[in-house]
Amino acid sequence: EVQLVQSGAEVKKPGESLKISCKGSGYNFINYWIGWVRQMPGKGLEWMGIINPGDSETRYSPSFQGQVTISADMSLSTAYLQWSSLKASDTAIYYCAKGNVYFDYWGQGTLVTVSS
Amino acid sequence: DIQMTQSPSSLSASVGDRVTITCRASQSISAYLNWFQQKPGEAPKLLISAVSTLQSGVPSRFTGSGSGTGTDFALTISSLRPEDCATYYCQQTFSTPQTFGQGTKVEIK
Repeated sequence: EVQLVQSGAEVKKPGESLKISCKGSGYNFINYWIGWVRQMPGKGLEWMGIINPGDSETRYSPSFQGQVTISADMSLSTAYLQWSSLKASDTAIYYCAKGNVYFDYWGQGTLVTVSS
Repeated sequence: DIQMTQSPSSLSASVGDRVTITCRASQSISAYLNWFQQKPGEAPKLLISAVSTLQSGVPSRFTGSGSGTGTDFALTISSLRPEDCATYYCQQTFSTPQTFGQGTKVEIK
C-alpha cells in the first residue's frame, strides 16, 4: 500500500528554523517526484515545488523560491521541507504528494503554527 | 505562471442535481489538467487526471471534460450526493509552477 507519512504538528516562534518530513512507503521512492503544497487557514491549495528524489532535481514556485528549501534522502525514502527563518505568515498546513503529472497520493498534512 | 480560474467559487444544489464546475487556463495546457476533492480536515484526493481519466474507486457520477482548446475544462457530478459536499480544485501540470484553481465549494441545499 502506498503511503506518505508526514511529521507531526509544530509550534514555532518567528525567526526560528524548521524542517518537516514526508516518508514514502509501498512504492519505489526514487522513481516518483514528491511535491509540497501549502494551505493557509481557510484558504486554497498553493503549489510550492517538487523534487525528483532520484537526482534531487528541484523546481520551485517563484512565490516560494528562496523562502523554503526542498530536499530528499533516497536512503530514508524521505522528502523534506525546511525554513531557515519562519514568519507568522508561514502558519499553514503543508502537504506532500507523490507524482509529477498528477499527485495521486498525499500525506496527511503537517500543521505549522508560527506565533510569538 | 499559468493562471487557473474556477467558477463558480461556491454553489448550493439539491441531492440528485447535476452540478458542473468549470476551470479555465490562462494559456493552453494541452491535457495536463487534474481535479481534486477536499473535505474539511482531510488531505486532497485525486478524482480525475489528464482531463477525463477517472481514478480507481472514484464513483462514475464524476466526469471530467475539455473543450478541445486546451484552456477550458469542466468537472460534472451527474447526480449530487450528500457525501459530495467538499471543495473541488483543478490543477494544471503543463508547466511549473503547477498552479491550482482557487477552489469551488459545493454544498447541499
